[in-house]
Amino acid sequence: EPEVTQTPSHQVTQMGQEVILRCVPISNHLYFYWYRQILGQKVEFLVSFYNNEISEKSEIFDDQFSVERPDGSNFTLKIRSTKLEDSAMYFCASSRVPSSGNTIYFGEGSWLTVV
Amino acid sequence: DAKTTQPPSMDCAEGRAANLPCNHSTISGNEYVYWYRQIHSQGPQYIIHGLKNNETNEMASLIITEDRKSSTLILPHATLRDTAVYYCIVSESGSRLTFGEGTQLTVNP
Repeated sequence: EPEVTQTPSHQVTQMGQEVILRCVPISNHLYFYWYRQILGQKVEFLVSFYNNEISEKSEIFDDQFSVERPDGSNFTLKIRSTKLEDSAMYFCASSRVPSSGNTIYFGEGSWLTVV
Repeated sequence: DAKTTQPPSMDCAEGRAANLPCNHSTISGNEYVYWYRQIHSQGPQYIIHGLKNNETNEMASLIITEDRKSSTLILPHATLRDTAVYYCIVSESGSRLTFGEGTQLTVNP
């Protein structure tokens, strides 16, 4: 069964450093997402991406965040200058098309620890 | 998207059916009911979704009331591996999912 894959599974970084989280969406999917989950809290939407541009973003997705599809298979989330409160599990997800009844499939997550 | 209400926790005996309820009284006509689950801190796993008809797949069945204001996810023969947090989410496009607290289902031996 096709799946969304994410790397790294766990990263520890110092406050102020840049971090790039990588994702390979399911191959015939066109719509990509990042969600995050701070330990003990709800899963929160960050951003959606379609046709090489951001489709929607939440208030969490401020100027320190950016997303990119650098090639035909990868989708990345960059955090420019990490803060302690960025420590969370980051989930990449993908879906076929942004239509009614669309189904989103999630990866296993990248656990980011900022120290 | 409409808000959903789920019980915070439920228990089920292994091998029995687990019936997880969800209220979504403000659901609109174009909104689907989605169910996901999350085991520990793994990625949310899609289970099933439906608009108004009952749905069944290899994982579960989804029963939606005729007025669409509530639904029930049924795991027909729960196993220990079904212990997870189950999320009921209402969304029109499925493109932005709003996760609530969900229901912690514990399957007991």
